[in-house]
Amino acid sequence: GQNIDQPTEMTATEGAIVQINCTYQTSGFNGLFWYQQHAGEAPTFLSYNVLDGLEEKGRFSSFLSRSKGYSYLLLKELQMKDSASYLCAVRVAGGYNKLIFGAGTRLAVHP
Amino acid sequence: EAQVTQNPRYLITVTGKKLTVTCSQNMNHEYMSWYRQDPGLGLRQIYYSMNVEVTDKGDVPEGYKVSRKEKRNFPLILESPSPNQTSLYFCASSFSVGNTGELFFGEGSRLTVL
Repeated sequence: GQNIDQPTEMTATEGAIVQINCTYQTSGFNGLFWYQQHAGEAPTFLSYNVLDGLEEKGRFSSFLSRSKGYSYLLLKELQMKDSASYLCAVRVAGGYNKLIFGAGTRLAVHP
Repeated sequence: EAQVTQNPRYLITVTGKKLTVTCSQNMNHEYMSWYRQDPGLGLRQIYYSMNVEVTDKGDVPEGYKVSRKEKRNFPLILESPSPNQTSLYFCASSFSVGNTGELFFGEGSRLTVL
């Protein structure tokens, strides 16, 4: 079966660092995505990892360990606007762009 | 502006009354897909299309139909809606696998079936 686990909710303080974890068990692996989704809005692309290691993009970084079926999204210098849901998605092997999504982690940033 | 446009954004309907949710993208993407998002379940794929006239079922296709007659459009059809199809629906598009294949999502269509 296909399973992606991430915490349901997290809270953090403005200016701090937060790490959102994602573990997956899927039939095949062809890349892992993180999307951000503000309440009532569409998901927007944050990062993509296909090889092990850390990808850094400004305040956001994403890490992947394929052998452990594990990824995390690291958000630094948190801002109030970072309050959103963060979706982990795995592209499973196959001839098409099929993504399996986790249920999302709702992050609340407090002053 | 590159975008995916869905209509309607909000709809309340009654059981059995056929409806269509339209989706259009202006990025010349080959791949298009429909998802539904329900609390605690994440996004689940309904149908997808690799290109014009090529469609296939996703994980939750029951009660839905799609068509892909033009590259830019990918409508979702509910022939006889039922209350369990009350959900938030997203259309998404991307280039075919070959680059990152990141999905571009429409703004969502919130459907309530009474």
